[in-house]
Amino acid sequence: GAVVSQHPSWVICKSGTSVKIECRSLDFQATTMFWYRQFPKQSLMLMATSNEGSKATYEQGVEKDKFLINHASLTLSTLTVTSAHPEDSSFYICSASAGVPQETQYFGPGTRLLVL
Amino acid sequence: ELKVEQNPLFLSMQEGKNYTIYCNYSTTSDRLYWYRQDPGKSLESLFVLLSNGAVKQEGRLMASLDTKARLSTLHITAAVHDLSATYFCAVNSGGSNYKLTFGKGTLLTVNP
Repeated sequence: GAVVSQHPSWVICKSGTSVKIECRSLDFQATTMFWYRQFPKQSLMLMATSNEGSKATYEQGVEKDKFLINHASLTLSTLTVTSAHPEDSSFYICSASAGVPQETQYFGPGTRLLVL
Repeated sequence: ELKVEQNPLFLSMQEGKNYTIYCNYSTTSDRLYWYRQDPGKSLESLFVLLSNGAVKQEGRLMASLDTKARLSTLHITAAVHDLSATYFCAVNSGGSNYKLTFGKGTLLTVNP
């Protein structure tokens, strides 16, 4: 149980284009989903927290207009990197929790983005 | 602001040896996690520690939590090559969204 998937697992795009990454909870309803970014050999940095049906809460320094997050259903959240640039190249990982008190986050397999 | 510090950041050890990774955090938290990450992969959950004095063991790994000292340890017993990975601790910063703050990770290399 508690499986989280991400799609795509790999994406290469040209600078200036937009890329959408999907995060799905396959066997549970995720009231809260988290989006992280990880640069090579570094730790995970939380970008934003999204609750189903409401606007995402972004961490300080994360541009909400550049990283659009939509959590339209209890099993799907999307992250769209708009007008991607090479510095946006990174490993993006989502996690999901059912949101009940003291619930564990379950991590997706990650999406590697390379912007040329 | 919650800060999580791990040490060491790099650990090279021989098979069969024991070692401990430390995780300190700066403010009160109600849970602490340990994760493993293999190169190019996402996170694998190892342990969730919920209370002071909690100790959990799985194979050659044992994690403990001292909430008074704000310290968790991940002890490796008789290391084997398969344990080579990056290990992260993460602390729940509280609030209704259960936000996690991660340490920088410890890159463990176990040499034959």
